Parts: sequence; structure tokens; C-alpha cells
Amino acid sequence: NAGVTQTPKFQVLKTGQSMTLQCAQDMNHEYMSWYRQDPGMGLRLIHYSVGAGITDQGEVPNGYNVSRSTTEDFPLRLLSAAPSQTSVYFCASTAQVGRGLTFGAGSRLTVL
Amino acid sequence: GENVEQHPSTLSVQEGDSAVIKCTYSDSASNYFPWYKQELGKRPQLIIDIRSNVGEKKDQRIAVTLNKTAKHFSLHITETQPEDSAVYFCAASQGNNRLAFGKGNQVVVIP
Repeated sequence: NAGVTQTPKFQVLKTGQSMTLQCAQDMNHEYMSWYRQDPGMGLRLIHYSVGAGITDQGEVPNGYNVSRSTTEDFPLRLLSAAPSQTSVYFCASTAQVGRGLTFGAGSRLTVL
Repeated sequence: GENVEQHPSTLSVQEGDSAVIKCTYSDSASNYFPWYKQELGKRPQLIIDIRSNVGEKKDQRIAVTLNKTAKHFSLHITETQPEDSAVYFCAASQGNNRLAFGKGNQVVVIP
């Protein structure tokens, strides 16, 4: 049972490039979410999903797209990276609303 | 949306003493309040949570108390140990998976 797996762990992009952060969980969790963590800002919700085919915006969705074609996977896409998207990104999942989140190890993204 | 604030931002305690971190929230409809611990370079991990129908919950050296009237909840760590040094995040939600996190408290346990 691997839990929540994120790839890549580190990535450097140039402004305007696109990329996808991958997230997969093997716990059959319906609920998945993406957070970004910036120094002194805590964790801010980007997008979340309550099941396959269903996604919704969080607190800071601009510049990011998501999709949920399977229960296991919840990729986060940056279509045109900007320096303001330099951050550590965490994917998290839970089996049920109102339960604690299980986080992935994080992906550190730098946009030059 | 929900706004969660944590105080103090940094807390230093002597090993063996108690540490208390307080969070306030803005939305009276919030009913789920978890606490996460994040060690340097690691992922956040759930350490304890409480729901609005309970006033206090304990798990060994850790406890959380909730005051719905005042809209605040606190994390209590007793008999602190060096491994308790970390950043602690509180969060609140209406049970809808839209967790709003505070900005975190750095706890330093001095041996």
C-alpha cells in the first residue's frame, strides 16, 4: 500500500512552459485535492475532486487545470507556468468528507 | 470562505513543559477541525481531529479543545519532547473536503 504518490519530486520550468504534476493513490479514496504551500502562507487549496468525473475549484485555482478520469489519479496541469507558481505542491486524499487527509510527499516546482 | 488564524506564530518551550497553540475560525458552520504536524522537508501528517459535537479529545500527550461559541480551538501538547519540534497547522471545514488551513505555528522544544 503506497498511499499517495506524487511525481516528479522536483521540477524546474521556464516561464510559459507547461507541465503536469502526477498524483496517484491506491487506497480507493473518493476525495482528492491539490494544495500549494508557500512560506508563511500555510496550505492553500487549488482544486479538489469528490469522485471520478467530478472536480471543483478551491481557493487559488487560476493557472491550474485538473481532471479525474479514474478514482486513482488526479493530475494537476500548469498550461503556461509563471514565476508566481513557484511553490511546493501537495496532493492529498481521503476516503470520506470530514476525515483527515493523507498527503503525498510533495513536488517542489521552480519557475524561472 | 472560511478564514483560519493561528497564534502564536512561533513557540519555544523547554523539554517536558506543555505547549498550547490556539486557532480561531470565522465560519460558524464549520464542523470539522483537524491538526497536522509537518516536520522539516516532510509532508503534513494528521495528528488529531475534533468534530463540533465534541468539546475535547485526547490521544496520549496530545489533546484538542473546541469552543464553538468563541469560534476557537486549541492544540495541547504535554510533556514535550524534542521530536515534537515541527510546524503545526490547524484547519477547519464544513465537512465538505474544502479544508481551510491556518498559516502554521513553529514549535521548538529546547532540550
